[in-house]
Amino acid sequence: QKEVEQNSGPLSVPEGAIASLNCTYSDRGSQSFFWYRQYSGKSPELIMSIYSNGDKEDGRFTAQLNKASQYVSLLIRDSQPSDSATYLCAVKEAAGNKLTFGGGTRVLVKP
Amino acid sequence: DGGITQSPKYLFRKEGQNVTLSCEQNLNHDAMYWYRQDPGQGLRLIYYSQIVNDFQKGDIAEGYSVSREKKESFPLTVTSAQKNPTAFYLCASSFPQVYPGYTFGSGTRLTVV
Repeated sequence: QKEVEQNSGPLSVPEGAIASLNCTYSDRGSQSFFWYRQYSGKSPELIMSIYSNGDKEDGRFTAQLNKASQYVSLLIRDSQPSDSATYLCAVKEAAGNKLTFGGGTRVLVKP
Repeated sequence: DGGITQSPKYLFRKEGQNVTLSCEQNLNHDAMYWYRQDPGQGLRLIYYSQIVNDFQKGDIAEGYSVSREKKESFPLTVTSAQKNPTAFYLCASSFPQVYPGYTFGSGTRLTVV
């Protein structure tokens, strides 16, 4: 069974600092990777997608991908209290269209 | 506006009852998915459907059933065989030929009373 692993946290960061979230996956052939943000009691919302090795920036968010190491990360710069949420890493299977989700990392941004 | 609608938002089930969760999308997406989320846990796949009149079991299909008679609709029935149904249920859809990511509904919180 394909696996996606995340540190459950909580990851506590002071306001204005950088939050760094990590994700590893087992399906070596995977080509599509996603980060979702989920507030407590709400459904996940897409933050970033990344398909190529390297960095991809969108506003305060940067996704990093290293397929050789089977590793995806998300950086949140200038963290705000509104960034306090659970962040889910999702990996599309190599053969098929399903996403496998990690257990999520809970982030707490303290003012 | 296009989107994916789940109803009801909250649902209470008595022991031994079957209940059906609704999921409707107007995004013209081919694929639809049902996930279950327990407190502090990630999402686990229950069932998925790539096209109308076809669906496959996910990782935790026991005690659940689905149908896909229309492209827009993918209802989930939680049967009495599901012994621990209390959870947050999420429906998602995607258009894999264009974009592999999912759009999620707002979820249904099911509680056994």
